[in-house]
Amino acid sequence: KQEVTQIPAALSVPEGENLVLNCSFTDSAIYNLQWFRQDPGKGLTSLLLIQSSQREQTSGRLNASLDKSSGRSTLYIAASQPGDSATYLCAVRGNNAGNMLTFGGGTRLMVKP
Amino acid sequence: NAGVTQTPKFQVLKTGQSMTLQCAQDMNHEYMSWYRQDPGMGLRLIHYSVGAGITDQGEVPNGYNVSRSTTEDFPLRLLSAAPSQTSVYFCASRPTGSDTQYFGPGTRLTVL
Repeated sequence: KQEVTQIPAALSVPEGENLVLNCSFTDSAIYNLQWFRQDPGKGLTSLLLIQSSQREQTSGRLNASLDKSSGRSTLYIAASQPGDSATYLCAVRGNNAGNMLTFGGGTRLMVKP
Repeated sequence: NAGVTQTPKFQVLKTGQSMTLQCAQDMNHEYMSWYRQDPGMGLRLIHYSVGAGITDQGEVPNGYNVSRSTTEDFPLRLLSAAPSQTSVYFCASRPTGSDTQYFGPGTRLTVL
């Protein structure tokens, strides 16, 4: 059974710092991996999606990398801003999982002005 | 487009009561899913549908029923609510050929 872990569970940084969020998964037979952002009391917004054949994806100040063989993904946020404060979740879709995403528990990020 | 909408936003039930959580999307997406989110456990898939008339179980289906009579709507029914079903419920959809999921705002359910 696929298990997804995100470390740290919470992170507080001053504005302007570059930071890395980590995601690890136990089964490397994945179809793709997604990073989501969740604001308090709101739904999830897809940030980046990496297909299993890709190594990284970039969108603005966000860069996500994928190392399937080691079961790891990182989300890099450059020049963090208070507006980046949210919970970040990663989710993997297995090769035989159909429509099912397996989510990590999330990293709660606070960027202080 | 309104995207994915969910009603109600909040609900309190007593043990044993039944209710239906509504989910609708106006993007003509074939795939729709229900997840529950519990503290520290991420989101877990309850049921999903790959199109009208087709549904299947996810990771935690017990105590929940679904149906998909139209492409737009995917209601989730709690047959006899239990305190263990206290959670935040999210509906999601995605179009055929895309892996990007679109989530609704969630329904916060408390079962006393």
